[in-house]
Amino acid sequence: GAVVSQHPSWVICKSGTSVKIECRSLDFQATTMFWYRQFPKQSLMLMATSNEGSKATYEQGVEKDKFLINHASLTLSTLTVTSAHPEDSSFYICSSTDDRTSTYEQYFGPGTRLTVT
Amino acid sequence: GEDVEQSLFLSVREGDSSVINCTYTDSSSTYLYWYKQEPGAGLQLLTYIFSNMDMKQDQRLTVLLNKKDKHLSLRIADTQTGDSAIYFCAESIDGNKLVFGAGTILRVKS
Repeated sequence: GAVVSQHPSWVICKSGTSVKIECRSLDFQATTMFWYRQFPKQSLMLMATSNEGSKATYEQGVEKDKFLINHASLTLSTLTVTSAHPEDSSFYICSSTDDRTSTYEQYFGPGTRLTVT
Repeated sequence: GEDVEQSLFLSVREGDSSVINCTYTDSSSTYLYWYKQEPGAGLQLLTYIFSNMDMKQDQRLTVLLNKKDKHLSLRIADTQTGDSAIYFCAESIDGNKLVFGAGTILRVKS
């Protein structure tokens, strides 16, 4: 099946710094990728939809200047948390659809745990 | 707005069947999914069903959909300890934006 990887798997950063998280489709091309955020013992909340070669579409309430998304190639999308604060600590998960198959199947990465101190 | 609800916890004995229930509010939902999440890991797509279907079976998994009541269930036959995980129900109108439930923790006792 389609494999999605994320890097890093976990990161600790100081308040005020920026952190970049990568999401890669390993064996397929992905025009569309999605970024989710998951709080402990809670569900996933869609943050934004990332489209290769165009601007990301953000969900209501998500600050686009704080969560910068770049989808520069068909296999890589990045999420940069700018000027991170402790409240940004969370589990960030990306997902992707496979351009070769149906658009209603999303394949999820293993997630990145961000801790801001 | 869209909302998906699940029971929070289910405990079963190894070898028994597990049934995880989910209700959703959006009658426009076209795709309904079940995902499995193991500790510290991402989500694994288990199965999905289209809204024009009543049932889908895939090996030990059976999904039942009652569209009238907006109720979705996942039955796992012969539950094993390796099935212990969090199970998320999700719905989508177009297959892009997924709305997830809070997840059901399944604990399998040996």
